[in-house]
Amino acid sequence: QKEVEQNSGPLSVPEGAIASLNCTYSDRVSQSFFWYRQYSGKSPELIMSIYSNGDKEDGRFTAQLNKASQYVSLLIRDSQPSDSATYLCAVSPFSGGYNKLIFGAGTRLAVHP
Amino acid sequence: SAVISQKPSRDICQRGTSLTIQCQVDSQVTMMFWYRQQPGQSLTLIATANQGSEATYESGFVIDKFPISRPNLTFSTLTVSNMSPEDSSIYLCSVRAGSQETQYFGPGTRLLVL
Repeated sequence: QKEVEQNSGPLSVPEGAIASLNCTYSDRVSQSFFWYRQYSGKSPELIMSIYSNGDKEDGRFTAQLNKASQYVSLLIRDSQPSDSATYLCAVSPFSGGYNKLIFGAGTRLAVHP
Repeated sequence: SAVISQKPSRDICQRGTSLTIQCQVDSQVTMMFWYRQQPGQSLTLIATANQGSEATYESGFVIDKFPISRPNLTFSTLTVSNMSPEDSSIYLCSVRAGSQETQYFGPGTRLLVL
């Protein structure tokens, strides 16, 4: 079983719709969770971080975490063509201090006009 | 935030040769990370570089193949030694910075080994 699993996609949504990206992780002690966006040919950039159960909203983005189900998701409201990219879920086993990020394979999102 | 630069941005190399990639950060950081991203795949951590100590390598990566230097708190190098076509990849330098210890990535070095 992979440590961090994501559906590779592509996930195709129409402009203005809600895009829902999902991620599951295997390590129960994971405490820090991140969503990165990576445009083709570019390096990853951090979109959201979430550390406690529930929802965290930042503009059009909402991260949702359920530690009991070992599940983290990213919702993108009012999707735009510029949101088309690969979204990487990353998980870290410890909060604070040294820890390594374990990345999922990424979900490719395509927002069509 | 942290601004990270890498050199070279890309290179084409012959098998059996070595390439050293440089990573420069605009602020002092405790740890620097080196990742590899092979075509169509996600990021894999190669090693963590601490200033003043040996780098810590992940399973599947060894110092002889990927020697790392960390001479100060703003700079690190990764060498890809005795290259083969399987080493063709994007190599990314990464650091943690800020009060939230956010992890930032450099622009990457695109390596093609013929």
